[in-house]
Amino acid sequence: GDSVTQMEGPVTLSEEAFLTINCTYTATGYPSLFWYVQYPGEGLQLLLKATKADDKGSNKGFEATYRKETTSFHLEKGSVQVSDSAVYFCALSDPRDDKIIFGKGTRLHILP
Amino acid sequence: GAVVSQHPSRVICKSGTSVKIECRSLDFQATTMFWYRQFPKKSLMLMATSNEGSKATYEQGVEKDKFLINHASLTLSTLTVTSAHPEDSSFYICSATGVPGRDTEAFFGQGTRLTVV
Repeated sequence: GDSVTQMEGPVTLSEEAFLTINCTYTATGYPSLFWYVQYPGEGLQLLLKATKADDKGSNKGFEATYRKETTSFHLEKGSVQVSDSAVYFCALSDPRDDKIIFGKGTRLHILP
Repeated sequence: GAVVSQHPSRVICKSGTSVKIECRSLDFQATTMFWYRQFPKKSLMLMATSNEGSKATYEQGVEKDKFLINHASLTLSTLTVTSAHPEDSSFYICSATGVPGRDTEAFFGQGTRLTVV
């Protein structure tokens, strides 16, 4: 079945460092890909998405590109801030049924 | 806009009792609601999909009689954990789709931390 694998955390970085959180997927169809973020004490929020190959999703300085050839959707940010500390979930959705399959989540700690 | 409210945020119950968790879409009619369970250090696992007025579709391995889902209206779905046991302790989260023009986007509730003692 469909699945999502993302790098395990926690990831600890200093403020202004470059961030990459790896995510790869397996899917039988042509899924949409998402990154969700869960800030401390809050619910999940959609961070960015891409619906087809080579699409780049971006939001709040974060970017991820839908790479069909490597089945990847890595999350990147050029300069992280303390406020980016959260848990990040990579996910895919089969457009045929809207079900979302999540990775295990990566906890990110940004040190001032 | 597009707010999903989940209640309660935390609940502690005694083993053998039942607990109801509500999921409401506050400003849109949710065509579909989903229930997830998050295990420590593991991913969110889809438990079931519910559409208003019809029976929920459960994922393989999820006990239908233990996790009762009722989608009574386009803005409310409930998950009842019946005869709860300590192993049911977990974080439960709902999501909803159906915002016009944002059909592929899921909006999540705040989650409910269930502790069975």
